[in-house]
Formats: sequence, structure tokens, C-alpha cells
Amino acid sequence: IAGITQAPTSQILAAGRRMTLRCTQDMRHNAMYWYRQDLGLGLRLIHYSNTAGTTGKGEVPDGYSVSRANTDDFPLTLASAVPSQTSVYFCASGHGESSTDTQYFGPGTRLTVL
Amino acid sequence: GQNIDQPTEMTATEGAIVQINCTYQTSGFNGLFWYQQHAGEAPTFLSYNVLDGLEEKGRFSSFLSRSKGYSYLLLKELQMKDSASYLCAVRDGDYKLSFGAGTTVTVRA
Repeated sequence: IAGITQAPTSQILAAGRRMTLRCTQDMRHNAMYWYRQDLGLGLRLIHYSNTAGTTGKGEVPDGYSVSRANTDDFPLTLASAVPSQTSVYFCASGHGESSTDTQYFGPGTRLTVL
Repeated sequence: GQNIDQPTEMTATEGAIVQINCTYQTSGFNGLFWYQQHAGEAPTFLSYNVLDGLEEKGRFSSFLSRSKGYSYLLLKELQMKDSASYLCAVRDGDYKLSFGAGTTVTVRA
């Protein structure tokens, strides 16, 4: 039982390059989320998906895109990376719009954009 | 937007008690969560409050006052392994989580 997996674990990327961060969950959760975590700022929501086929923008969506073709996978794409996107990225999943829902986090991807 | 405040750092001695406060102002409220995050690892769920009062789970307890926009996490009988960041998160009216910046707790022998 894996829970949530993310790949890669870490990546160094040249500015201007395209990058896709992968996230897969095997808990059959409806909702999935992408956060970035920066020192002193805490976790900030980038994009989310309440169910397969739907996505929405979070607090800091600019420069990122997502897709949700099926229940298990929720990739995050940086079309043209910039140094300000250097961060630790966490994917999370949960049952969705329920007041008792708990989000479970993947191990994270540490991304450095030079 | 959301405004969630918690202290940046706290230090305590092994075996002691530490209380981490969290104040919030959000558009709508659908529960408050506490997560623990060890350095270099993912956040893990600790506790959830949606009604006023105290929820106890072993050495950890969490309190909520919705009218005051206030919560605290109480860690009792501190152990070295409790050294971590503790994140306060509020679920707003759209069921999205907003996180505070986290409180780093250091437990000293």
C-alpha cells in the first residue's frame, strides 16, 4: 500500500524549461491538491481537483497547470520554469468536500530552478 | 483571503508541556486541523476540531473557540521525537485548507 507517491524526489531545472511533477494515489480519493511550501510562508494551494475531470485554481496558480484524467493521477506542469518557482511541492488527496475530510500528503518534490 | 497566525518557534524541555496557539480570520469555517511535519518530510495529520471545546488524543490535545477565532495544540510529556514543525490549517467556506506558516518546536534534553 503506497498511499501517495510523487516523482521525482528532487530536480534541478534550468529556467525556461518545461517540467511535469507527477502524483499518484491509490486510496480512491476523489479530491487531490498541489501545494508549494516556502520558508516562512507555509503551504500554499496551487491547484486542486474535486473529482476526476475537474480542476480549480488555488491561491498561487500562475505559471502552473494541472490535469485530472483519472482518479489516481494529478500531474502538475510548469510550462516555462522561473527561479521563483524554486520550492518544495507537495501533492495531497482526500475524500473531498466534507467537513470531516482529512488531507493526506505525499513525500514532496524539491525543485530548484536556476 | 485567509489570515492564520501562529508563533514561529518554541523551545521546551523533555517531559514538559508546550502549548501552540493559532488565531485565524477566514471567510467561512468548516473545521481546524493540526498537522505535524518533521524536517524534510511530509505533513501528517494530528487533530481536527469543528465544534468548540477540547479534543484529546493521547499526549496531544487540541482546543477550538470559533467565536474567538482561536485554537491551541497542547503537547504533554514532551519527547525528543516531538521536535518538529506544527501547522495550523483552517478549512474555509469553499472546503479549501489554508495553512499558517508553522511553529517549529525544539525539545531539549
